[in-house]
Amino acid sequence: EPEVTQTPSHQVTQMGQEVILRCVPISNHLYFYWYRQILGQKVEFLVSFYNNEISEKSEIFDDQFSVERPDGSNFTLKIRSTKLEDSAMYFCASTLNTEAFFGQGTRLTVV
Amino acid sequence: QQPVQSPQAVILREGEDAVINCSSSKALYSVHWYRQKHGEAPVFLMILLKGGEQKGHDKISASFNEKKQQSSLYLTASQLSYSGTYFCGTGLIQGAQKLVFGQGTRLTINP
Repeated sequence: EPEVTQTPSHQVTQMGQEVILRCVPISNHLYFYWYRQILGQKVEFLVSFYNNEISEKSEIFDDQFSVERPDGSNFTLKIRSTKLEDSAMYFCASTLNTEAFFGQGTRLTVV
Repeated sequence: QQPVQSPQAVILREGEDAVINCSSSKALYSVHWYRQKHGEAPVFLMILLKGGEQKGHDKISASFNEKKQQSSLYLTASQLSYSGTYFCGTGLIQGAQKLVFGQGTRLTINP
């Protein structure tokens, strides 16, 4: 069964460093998302991406964040100058139309 | 504005039934239900679309009352595997879009 895959599963980084989280969405899906979940809290929308551009972003998604689809399969989230409060689980999701499927997530720990 | 889920937590014995509610202050087009086990990605359960439909598979079903802007998830004869946190995600328009998630309902099933 096709699935969304994310790498790495766990990333530890020092405050101020840049990280890139990678996702491979389901191959025939057209819409891609990044969500964040701080430990024990709800899943929060960060950004949606369609047709090679951002279609919507939340107030969390400030200039510190950027997304890219560098080739036909990968979808990346870059976080510049990480802060302690960026520590969270980051989920990539993709959809063809309505049902969104989530990857296993990348646990980002900023120390 | 995020949907509100109730209850926040439920503890059941195996075989008992549970109802989880999701209410929104906005007119909804769709409600998406997910189950998340600790440390894992949210897993898609079902989607309900505007039209007041009801859906189900196995012993998990859901209803959507668009006039009341509410959805309910029904788990009957609960199994140990049903344990986890259930999230409703709401969509305001037809088609692919970001989801706004409720704060989750933690369901614990004891033997």
